[in-house]
Amino acid sequence: EPEVTQTPSHQVTQMGQEVILRCVPISNHLYFYWYRQILGQKVEFLVSFYNNEISEKSEIFDDQFSVERPDGSNFTLKIRSTKLEDSAMYFCASLRSLLVQYFGPGTRLTVT
Amino acid sequence: GESVGLHLPTLSVQEGDNSIINCAYSNSASDYFIWYKQESGKGPQFIIDIRSNMDKRQGQRVTVLLNKTVKHLSLQIAATQPGDSAVYFCAERGAGGTSYGKLTFGQGTILTVHP
Repeated sequence: EPEVTQTPSHQVTQMGQEVILRCVPISNHLYFYWYRQILGQKVEFLVSFYNNEISEKSEIFDDQFSVERPDGSNFTLKIRSTKLEDSAMYFCASLRSLLVQYFGPGTRLTVT
Repeated sequence: GESVGLHLPTLSVQEGDNSIINCAYSNSASDYFIWYKQESGKGPQFIIDIRSNMDKRQGQRVTVLLNKTVKHLSLQIAATQPGDSAVYFCAERGAGGTSYGKLTFGQGTILTVHP
């Protein structure tokens, strides 16, 4: 069964550094999402992406965040200058034309 | 504003019992609801969904009930097994946006199944 994959599984970075989180959505899906989950808290929406542009973003998704689909398979989330409060699990999700968003296993980002 | 919340943060049951996990939502315009299961260190896994024009939907061992009058959603798991132990999240999609818009998640309920 096709799955959303994410790399790396764990990323440790120093405050102020740039990080890129990578996702490979399910191959025939058209809509892509990033969510994050701070430890012990609920999953929060960051951004949705369709037809090579952002379709919606949350207040969390400020100028330090960007997304890109550089080729036909990858979907990336970049944080330009990480802050301590960016430490969280970051989940990628994708959707074809039904309603269910399928989530990847997540990348744990630790900012020190 | 929109919010989706859960009545019970933890639920402990014996193996074989039925489990009921509840969720309250405040956005009466929400048109789609979904339950996810999250095991430790993993991403949310789809369990079952329901559109707002339905009040009940059944899957394998799971049933979702939607009561729009009181804005309440529940997940029933029949014959709960130790493998069902996880955090369960409800999520809603507000109407009025794109059909493929963001999900708003609740806080989650920890389900523990004792053998």
